[in-house]
Amino acid sequence: ETGVTQTPRHLVMGMTNKKSLKCEQHLGHNAMYWYKQSAKKPLELMFVYNFKEQTENNSVPSRFSPECPNSSHLFLHLHTLQPEDSALYLCASSQVLAGGRDTQYFGPGTRLTVL
Amino acid sequence: KNEVEQSPQNLTAQEGEFITINCSYSVGISALHWLQQHPGGGIVSLFMLSSGKKKHGRLIATINIQEKHSSLHITASHPRDSAVYICAVSIQGAQKLVFGQGTRLTINP
Repeated sequence: ETGVTQTPRHLVMGMTNKKSLKCEQHLGHNAMYWYKQSAKKPLELMFVYNFKEQTENNSVPSRFSPECPNSSHLFLHLHTLQPEDSALYLCASSQVLAGGRDTQYFGPGTRLTVL
Repeated sequence: KNEVEQSPQNLTAQEGEFITINCSYSVGISALHWLQQHPGGGIVSLFMLSSGKKKHGRLIATINIQEKHSSLHITASHPRDSAVYICAVSIQGAQKLVFGQGTRLTINP
């Protein structure tokens, strides 16, 4: 139990569906991250938020739309996804945004399958 | 070619064996992380280091900044150590971690 929760844990959606992934951290951290982990590929950073403000968008397609209403919650809104977007989506948080020089705490991930 | 390379990609050993996983990187870094990912998907941070050596229980991590190389050692390995071990680096001047592809470790009883 890392103090970071993600829902749902599994999601199957069609290419025309709209769904959202939710992340919540109970650690009082100020920075939150979305990562994508595809089969046989390293983890890829998608978005970074610091004090609710987006500080990094790693060239992510617009069919992925993040939202950070407060420092404890992070959402990833999904629409018109492609089968190649099927992956494990991981949320993480850290006390401060330190360019990777602070320990990040990961959630359990959402396994997404796009049909 | 990825900026972070791990070896081996897969490692199978018997319980009790001494395990070494290697990580090489090609860029200047400010910190290096070792992470553990269990089959369920969740990732746990094991170590963050920028020089020297750190030890936690049966796990030891070392880094050689000049050679751009780090190792993760597991002493007296146990089946519960079976997981994917991931090396990640914080690149100097950047605001993100870059990850290796992971090493899948299986410890047989």
